[in-house]
Parts: sequence; structure tokens; C-alpha cells
Amino acid sequence: DVKVTQSSRYLVKRTGEKVFLECVQDMDHENMFWYRQDPGLGLRLIYFSYDVKMKEKGDIPEGYSVSREKKERFSLILESASTNQTSMYLCASSPTRAVNYGYTFGSGTRLTVV
Amino acid sequence: DQQVKQNSPSLSVQEGRISILNCDYTNSMFDYFLWYKKYPAEGPTFLISISSIKDKNEDGRFTVFLNKSAKHLSLHIVPSQPGDSAVYFCAASAAEYGNKLVFGAGTILRVKS
Repeated sequence: DVKVTQSSRYLVKRTGEKVFLECVQDMDHENMFWYRQDPGLGLRLIYFSYDVKMKEKGDIPEGYSVSREKKERFSLILESASTNQTSMYLCASSPTRAVNYGYTFGSGTRLTVV
Repeated sequence: DQQVKQNSPSLSVQEGRISILNCDYTNSMFDYFLWYKKYPAEGPTFLISISSIKDKNEDGRFTVFLNKSAKHLSLHIVPSQPGDSAVYFCAASAAEYGNKLVFGAGTILRVKS
């Protein structure tokens, strides 16, 4: 089975801190994605990557950046955490963008910014 | 502007009856549709999908119907079971956009025993 692993299940950070959320997939997938899930808003795409060292903005990139130095790892960075970034963060991967195989998601990181 | 809409935030159904979850979309370029199921504190898991060249796809208790002219799809669960209680997300993609998934807001399904 494809596995997408997010390093933390729960995080509590202070306003203004720099926060790193890590995601690793073990099936050599080309594509990786970061979403946040908020009640009533569903899953909103923050950033995605179709290849190593490649990144593209999603629908809500403000306040975030990403890094993909290796194919299996995609990191989400909150440059200066704010309370409105309190959310459930979900990482996903898919084999290729050429054909739709759907995504495999990690278990999520519940981030609280105080 | 939400391209994928799930207008019912929640649905409550008796065990053994049919659950029908609805989804509407606005972008006619979408050519592939998926349903994901999510339990609390877990990531979404793939449930069932349908290509735009079909109008129905069935997998066990789950059937997805697609009405392209109405830009509407629905997920039917028969019979509903308490373990089906979860949040259900509708998602759509287009080859034109690199098959990136666009999700709806989700519907909370509660199946009462």
C-alpha cells in the first residue's frame, strides 16, 4: 500500500513562530500536495509540486511556503504562524498528473496556533 | 468561487436505508469525479470514482451517478451502516488542469442504528 506519512498528528505553536510540517511518501509518486481542511470550507489547496525542486501555488498560498528537495518529501512552512492558520493540514500524493489515479492522503496534522 | 459544491452540510439516515449525497459543479472542463470518505483525525480515503464518459459506476454498496447536462453527481449508499458515518467529500478534476483535484465542502453523514 502507498503510504503518506505526516510527521506530527498534533502541534501547538505560538503566534509568530516558524512552523515546519513534514510529509513523506514511499511509492515514488511524482505529485505531492498540501491542503488545509476547515469546517464548511472543505479541502483547500495551499501548494503542490509535480517534481523535485518544483512548486506551484494553489488557491490559498499566502503565509505559506514549501520545499521539495527530494522526491519523497514535501515540506510545508508557515513563515510566521498566525491564529488564522489554526487548521487540519493534509498532505497527499499521486503517481502522475497524466492520468487521474486519485490521491493518497496522510493522516493529517492538527495545528493550533495560540 | 466554489467550482464544486456540496450544498447539504449534513445528512442523517436510519441504518439499513439509502443515503444519497449530492454534489454540483460549475466547470464543464471537469472530466473525472471522485468521492472521498473521512473519519475524524484521519486523512480522507478514496471511495469511488466516475469518468465523464459514464453515467453510473457501482462498487458494492456504493453507486455514483453522473448527470453531465445538469452538472450534478450523487453518491448512493445502500444499505447504510453505522460505520458509514463520516464526512464525504466530492472532488473533480480536468486533464486540462493537470488532473489536480478540486474538493467540495463536504457532507457529514450520520447513520443511526
